[in-house]
Amino acid sequence: QVQLQESGPGLVKPSQTLSLTCTVSGGSISSGSYYWSWIRQPAGRGLEWIGRIYPSGSTDYSPALKSRVTISIDTSKNQFSLELTSVTAADTAVYYCASGDMGTHYFDYWGQGTLVTVSS
Amino acid sequence: SYELTQPPSVSVSPGQTASITCSGDKLGDKYASWYQQRPGQSPVLVIYQDNKRPSGIPDRFSGSNSGNTATLTVSGTQAIDEADYYCQAWDSTSSVVFGGGTKLTVL
Repeated sequence: QVQLQESGPGLVKPSQTLSLTCTVSGGSISSGSYYWSWIRQPAGRGLEWIGRIYPSGSTDYSPALKSRVTISIDTSKNQFSLELTSVTAADTAVYYCASGDMGTHYFDYWGQGTLVTVSS
Repeated sequence: SYELTQPPSVSVSPGQTASITCSGDKLGDKYASWYQQRPGQSPVLVIYQDNKRPSGIPDRFSGSNSGNTATLTVSGTQAIDEADYYCQAWDSTSSVVFGGGTKLTVL
């Protein structure tokens, strides 16, 4: 059973960079059948896909966030990470990491989520 | 950009059937997935590839997808099924897209 766990600061100042890491256990992040995504959810609102990274290191990002997002992968640590630059209060949300099926793009494993608040 | 539209809320009596729709341009040509999210919890996959159930998901959950509409059906709805439900698909221009979510209330 694959498990994912997000970690990182819960408070980020406006204009700074939000950085989160997702640690994968119970399976290899290099598995050929999954890609690894970040998804966020502002309080009381819906899910927003941020982007994904393949085990090869190839990435895709949401057009709405593409200019501010970088997702990277460290296969030696079985981790992948998110960086979101120039944050504002609108970036305050619960951030989830999830595993996505390469073939048909569904997300079968999710982390518990971590709340990141952008505030001075 | 590609969009998926869901009704904000659906109500159902216990034991009855609830249907939650998800609309998008030519959605039937794509695979639709559905997630259940209870308050304070992470989303849980309940339907993938239009109509498949992951292991552990009760068979009262079913899905269909044709034309411009995907539908999640919950048969014999129970109080435990009260939650927010999100549809999701993949589009070549927008990549991963989620619907706005539907709050299912079991009255």
